[in-house]
Amino acid sequence: DAGVIQSPRHEVTEMGQEVTLRCKPISGHNSLFWYRQTMMRGLELLIYFNNNVPIDDSGMPEDRFSAKMPNASFSTLKIQPSEPRDSAVYFCASSLHKNTGELFFGEGSRLTVL
Amino acid sequence: AQTVTQSQPEMSVQEAETVTLSCTYDTSESDYYLFWYKQPPSRQMILVIRQEAYKQQNATENRFSVNFQKAAKSFSLKISDSQLGDAAMYFCAYRTHSGGGADGLTFGKGTHLIIQP
Repeated sequence: DAGVIQSPRHEVTEMGQEVTLRCKPISGHNSLFWYRQTMMRGLELLIYFNNNVPIDDSGMPEDRFSAKMPNASFSTLKIQPSEPRDSAVYFCASSLHKNTGELFFGEGSRLTVL
Repeated sequence: AQTVTQSQPEMSVQEAETVTLSCTYDTSESDYYLFWYKQPPSRQMILVIRQEAYKQQNATENRFSVNFQKAAKSFSLKISDSQLGDAAMYFCAYRTHSGGGADGLTFGKGTHLIIQP
């Protein structure tokens, strides 16, 4: 069974540009999470969805960040406009609701904003 | 809010020896999950072991075992017969079981494990 699939694996962009990160969760999982990992702050939960509905976006840094989940098999995290401090690895993870509690992670998208 | 603390930024162990990574957490809940995840240089987050708080028996997965002390809010990971492939960042994580467990993981800052050949 395919795991969580993220794209792109690497993204280098210039300050002010729009960045879109994509995620396909594991089929049948109904909870999806976006995390950001930096050396300074570690792993931070940005937002999560349950049955495609955003439940808690209190971790989203500011209005430049937005996330959508138009259907059960696809989610995007968008940054517009991007800034150098957004440089990080962004992980998407999914979980089968009321299962073992385990989150399954994608391989992450490394974003570099110049 | 729950917090997870890993007090050892870095640990080093000789190949084939045993090492224990520490983790403590703070919560007012009685039912929750605890995890150890491994992140090698490839950056993939890999589940190592899980523990459900209502289970008294410590979880074991091959060379990996935990010492879960619920009253002390401690959840340490023991790696026996360390192998070079165990070298990685190890993250302790907490997840609430309330509301069906859809609240994500709270992570510690991680412990960098070095395996000396």
